[in-house]
Amino acid sequence: QVQLMQSGAEVKKPGASVTVSCTASGYTFTSYFIHWVRQAPGRGLEWVGQINPTSDGTTFAHKFQGRVIMTKDTSTSTVFLRLSGLRPEDTAVYYCAREGRGRGGFDYWGPGILVNVSS
Amino acid sequence: QSVLTQPPSASGTAGQTVTISCSGSDSNIGSNPVNWYQHPPGTAPKLVIYSTYQWPSGVPDRFSGSKSGTSASLAISGLQAEDEADYYCSTWDDRLSAYVFGTGTKVTVL
Repeated sequence: QVQLMQSGAEVKKPGASVTVSCTASGYTFTSYFIHWVRQAPGRGLEWVGQINPTSDGTTFAHKFQGRVIMTKDTSTSTVFLRLSGLRPEDTAVYYCAREGRGRGGFDYWGPGILVNVSS
Repeated sequence: QSVLTQPPSASGTAGQTVTISCSGSDSNIGSNPVNWYQHPPGTAPKLVIYSTYQWPSGVPDRFSGSKSGTSASLAISGLQAEDEADYYCSTWDDRLSAYVFGTGTKVTVL
């Protein structure tokens, strides 16, 4: 069955960087885009960006450009999200999600990773 | 600030139908299919409608989606206690070249 497993919670100081991971199983890793979506405390869902595991192509929401990098390791079916210049407002649960074929929505989600940015 | 606007809350008694609206623009809902997510507290979101009208495997047909112009709707019929959650619409925005989410609607079963 399709599963997305994510790395553990992180606590970081303002200005630091964080890298979180998402390991896929149960399907052909290179056949589906992976997205990152976050939810800050008391706020709604916010799209961070996407990676095409076949081409390495990435697209990010405008507000994250210059601070975010997405990479993948095909040998382990893992996608990485690195966010730099952390601010307290980056405190959120970060989810990875698989996009179904033909813009078919985010059909499988990871459990989420809490990233806490605090001095 | 989200480009897709939803009412903050909706409610109904068990068995009733609740409808949630999602208002956007020509560059998002007007041009692309809409997806809907159910997000109970403390768990990951779950896709309940994709490509505006389609049901993912395992989602009951009590959930139905529709779209007209730059607005979309999610209807939940035969409301059940387990339907209590936050619901979000989402689509691609051609002008922003980004996915966008709605502001979210909290559904309460009275």
